[in-house]
Amino acid sequence: DQQVKQNSPSLSVQEGRISILNCDYTNSMFDYFLWYKKYPAEGPTFLISISSIKDKNEDGRFTVFLNKSAKHLSLHIVPSQPGDSAVYFCAASAYRDDKIIFGKGTRLHILP
Amino acid sequence: EAQVTQNPRYLITVTGKKLTVTCSQNMNHEYMSWYRQDPGLGLRQIYYSMNVEVTDKGDVPEGYKVSRKEKRNFPLILESPSPNQTSLYFCASSLVWQGAYTEAFFGQGTRLTVV
Repeated sequence: DQQVKQNSPSLSVQEGRISILNCDYTNSMFDYFLWYKKYPAEGPTFLISISSIKDKNEDGRFTVFLNKSAKHLSLHIVPSQPGDSAVYFCAASAYRDDKIIFGKGTRLHILP
Repeated sequence: EAQVTQNPRYLITVTGKKLTVTCSQNMNHEYMSWYRQDPGLGLRQIYYSMNVEVTDKGDVPEGYKVSRKEKRNFPLILESPSPNQTSLYFCASSLVWQGAYTEAFFGQGTRLTVV
């Protein structure tokens, strides 16, 4: 049973346009969400996070939106750049449960 | 430089031969964990540790052991490796702040092949 779902295995976006990566979760106890970026042959690196008390968090070109009622979060990258081509993982954790659950990842291709 | 160091980066071994993958972090993080990444399955947590001498199972702990004798080290032990443990393994550490796990720092990964 997948608690964190990234339903799009891949996404292609033109350079300069907006990239939107989606993530759904089923566990209503999750209260902290993170996005990681992964290049081939490297470990994932942290991108941005959001607590369940917020509905938006912004860091430069990256914005994460959280819709608790829909159990949905999204990562917006504006404008998309070639270096954004990578696999993006959504992750979630709950305060009283020490596990961190990752989605399967979405591969983002930025087209020239 | 803040980092998580895993060794070895690549390992080919035979079924049943015990092996250990080491992981060390220099950030004084309380929380450490191991993940495996498989095609189509994303990152799955194997074991995690809240602090020294405190370890617990993640989602896929079968066939693995861990220990946390010191805060900086969190080795992953495969007592009797099998081919289905062929995978890419990542160690990660993170700070615990106000009960939440801040961003994790990941190691470079260990690609293990069991034949």
